[in-house]
Amino acid sequence: ILNVEQSPQSLHVQEGDSTNFTCSFPSSNFYALHWYRWETAKSPEALFVMTLNGDEKKKGRISATLNTKEGYSYLYIKGSQPEDSATYLCAFRSNYKLTFGKGTLLTVNP
Amino acid sequence: GAGVSQSPRYKVAKRGQDVALRCDPISGHVSLFWYQQALGQGPEFLTYFQNEAQLDKSGLPSDRFFAERPEGSVSTLKIQRTQQEDSAVYLCASSLAGRAREQFFGPGTRLTVL
Repeated sequence: ILNVEQSPQSLHVQEGDSTNFTCSFPSSNFYALHWYRWETAKSPEALFVMTLNGDEKKKGRISATLNTKEGYSYLYIKGSQPEDSATYLCAFRSNYKLTFGKGTLLTVNP
Repeated sequence: GAGVSQSPRYKVAKRGQDVALRCDPISGHVSLFWYQQALGQGPEFLTYFQNEAQLDKSGLPSDRFFAERPEGSVSTLKIQRTQQEDSAVYLCASSLAGRAREQFFGPGTRLTVL
């Protein structure tokens, strides 16, 4: 059974704060690591797909890093805004299916 | 439409009732996936189609769950004799062929079994 862990489970920050969350995953049979942003009542939105050890990806104020040897990825949000409030899911991929963590619920207070 | 759509968005069923959940993938996407997200959990894999072929149904929780994609486009997830533990959000995703391909998700169907 694959184990994908995310921490923290939830996080409250003030507008303008920078924050980060962690995803840990098995270091064997790795093919890709996906990050999704999921707002209530909407579709999960793909943020990043990362495949190479040492990968760093950036989209606006959000960036992510990947360490496949030790089995972790970090997601960073710089200068959080209230519209960043959502659940952030990571998913490990060894073949065609995704194994998700439970997510980190981020609330950004204005 | 541009994205994956699912219907209905919300479904309330009485215990023992049969339900059918529909997924319209992005046009041209070969692969289609169903996931189940129970309260407080991450989405969990149910089944995978490549075109009309169901290549993996290992995640279906019981034989009350059945999925089909007869023409390689729209898919239906059917749950027979629903139980309270079937209450969850059912997500559908589609992608182009290939292992590294991004999966695009629909908004899900929230099923509540009373």
